[in-house]
This record gives sequence, structure tokens and C-alpha cells, in this order.
Amino acid sequence: KAGVTQTPRYLIKTRGQQVTLSCSPISGHRSVSWYQQTPGQGLQFLFEYFSETQRNKGNFPGRFSGRQFSNSRSEMNVSTLELGDSALYLCASRLKAGYGYTFGSGTRLTVV
Amino acid sequence: GNSVTQMEGPVTLSEEAFLTINCTYTATGYPSLFWYVQYPGEGLQLLLKATKADDKGSNKGFEATYRKETTSFHLEKGSVQVSDSAVYFCALSEGETSGSRLTFGEGTQLTVNP
Repeated sequence: KAGVTQTPRYLIKTRGQQVTLSCSPISGHRSVSWYQQTPGQGLQFLFEYFSETQRNKGNFPGRFSGRQFSNSRSEMNVSTLELGDSALYLCASRLKAGYGYTFGSGTRLTVV
Repeated sequence: GNSVTQMEGPVTLSEEAFLTINCTYTATGYPSLFWYVQYPGEGLQLLLKATKADDKGSNKGFEATYRKETTSFHLEKGSVQVSDSAVYFCALSEGETSGSRLTFGEGTQLTVNP
């Protein structure tokens, strides 16, 4: 079956712009989480959604937001981009609590 | 808060050598523990997991045992291959009833030479 699909794979934006990243979870998975990966900070949790509700949020500024649709697809948005937002953004889905997460290949965002 | 500490890398081994990557954790409750692997240009792949004390996770020749008394989850493999070259992340997850998150270690770069 298809894995977690993230689009686009690569993105280049200018400081001050906003960006929207998309994630399609594995069919049947209702929980979607987002992570930011940078060389300096490593992997950091952004937020988790389940059945269109945000269940958990990491320690990121309000410029980072997300949502989940009724078909479990999720988007995350970053407004007023800063150079430090350059990172690999990973989406992960899982069937339910107690199961491991399956990650997508990520979206590589570069802010110039 | 929760935290995960991995042994400092990078680690370089010859093919067929024995691998150990140390991982210790700090958690307030009873976390589930995971090892993920990341190949160049890709996302994370779940390698193995353990959900309670003394559980042993295993996959593709890799093993790790959940040691509550030492708060550790060390990754081992008896004979590594060149194809095992990747970055390995130890992680924990807690708080399933109110939403959960993975807390990751820093990652350990493994290079296996032929």
C-alpha cells in the first residue's frame, strides 16, 4: 500500500513569504504528526492531529500552524518565513495509539 | 520533561563487525521506545520498538531491550553490512491518552566500510 506522501519534495522561498506543505497519510491512518529536522536542533515535534483536531503542539511560534481534513490529509503552514525555518519537514502517520509512526520522505524547505 | 541521549557519533565500522549504539532516556512515566533509521535523502523508517520494560524489539538483525532499571534502550547488531550505513535515532513516546509526540535523540551516523 502507498506510504506517507509529502508534497512538494523541495521548496525555495524568500524571507517574509508564507508556505504550505501537504501530507497524505497511509490509507486508514487518522493520526498525523509533523516534525522539523535541522542540523542544529535535530528532530523537533511541531503538532499532532487526530480526526481533524489538534491534540498536541510543540514549542514553536504561532507562525507555524496546521490543520487536518476529513480525509485525514494534513497541511502545515508557516507564515512570515525566516532564514532559520530552513529545514526538512517530516510528516508521520499511524493507525492508532500504541502503533509506530510511518514517516514520509519530507519536504526540504530553503528560505533565502 | 522527556529527553533521549544517544552516544556521540559518527561511528565507523568494518563489514561484519559488531554494532552497539547506546541510548538512555529520561521520562516521567512509562514510555514506549523506538529506533528509527534514516537513509540519505529519505524520511525516517521505524526499525524496531518496545512498549514495556524487558521487551525486546528486533528487526533485520537489529535488537534492543527496554531496560527500565538503567533507563536504556541500546541498539545492537551482530554483523553489520555496508547497506546498514545510515543515521540511527532513538526515540520515546509518552502520553498516549492525551495525544503523543516522539522525543528524539541527536542521531548517530553509522558508516560501514567493505
